[in-house]
Amino acid sequence: GAGVSQSPSNKVTEKGKDVELRCDPISGHTALYWYRQSLGQGLEFLIYFQGNSAPDKSGLPSDRFSAERTGGSVSTLTIQRTQQEDSAVYLCASSLVGSRDRGYEQYFGPGTRLTVT
Amino acid sequence: QKEVEQNSGPLSVPEGAIASLNCTYSDRGSQSFFWYRQYSGKSPELIMFIYSNGDKEDGRFTAQLNKASQYVSLLIRDSQPSDSATYLCAVKINSWGKLQFGAGTQVVVTP
Repeated sequence: GAGVSQSPSNKVTEKGKDVELRCDPISGHTALYWYRQSLGQGLEFLIYFQGNSAPDKSGLPSDRFSAERTGGSVSTLTIQRTQQEDSAVYLCASSLVGSRDRGYEQYFGPGTRLTVT
Repeated sequence: QKEVEQNSGPLSVPEGAIASLNCTYSDRGSQSFFWYRQYSGKSPELIMFIYSNGDKEDGRFTAQLNKASQYVSLLIRDSQPSDSATYLCAVKINSWGKLQFGAGTQVVVTP
């Protein structure tokens, strides 16, 4: 079946502009996660959605970052007034959250490479 | 802070040999463990997950879990040049499935 999709694959923007990144999870996956990965660095958790709710936003680096999810499916991550330090690959993952410690496998999309000039 | 530690490598492995990757974690209550492969410039790809103590085999990959010693390992048998990648260990650290990732081990398989 179809995997996680993200768009755009690449985005170049000028400092100070707003950007929107989109994630379409695997059909039926109720949990959705956003991460970012800077060049040569590890994965940094940003936010978690269960359905349309975001019970954990603890990784959002500043109030310039926000995210929403609609219809329990597509999610958008918005970065306002972009800064050069926002340059990174933004990854989305989804999982079918199960019970008794099953079903927590996260599947990643191809990512959006954001470059702020 | 819940920690997941991996040797950064690079781990150089001759083609056809066994690559052995280790991962230790600090949260004794962790129950679910994952291995991801990440090629340069690509996103992480889930290759193995393990929930119970012992070994789990899938093709050329074997994951080994020892909860008492708080380590999980990945063995890659008959290593191929296409196995050259960074391998990320991830541990589920809370009830909703948050994963804590290690920094990854770079594996280089030499022909």
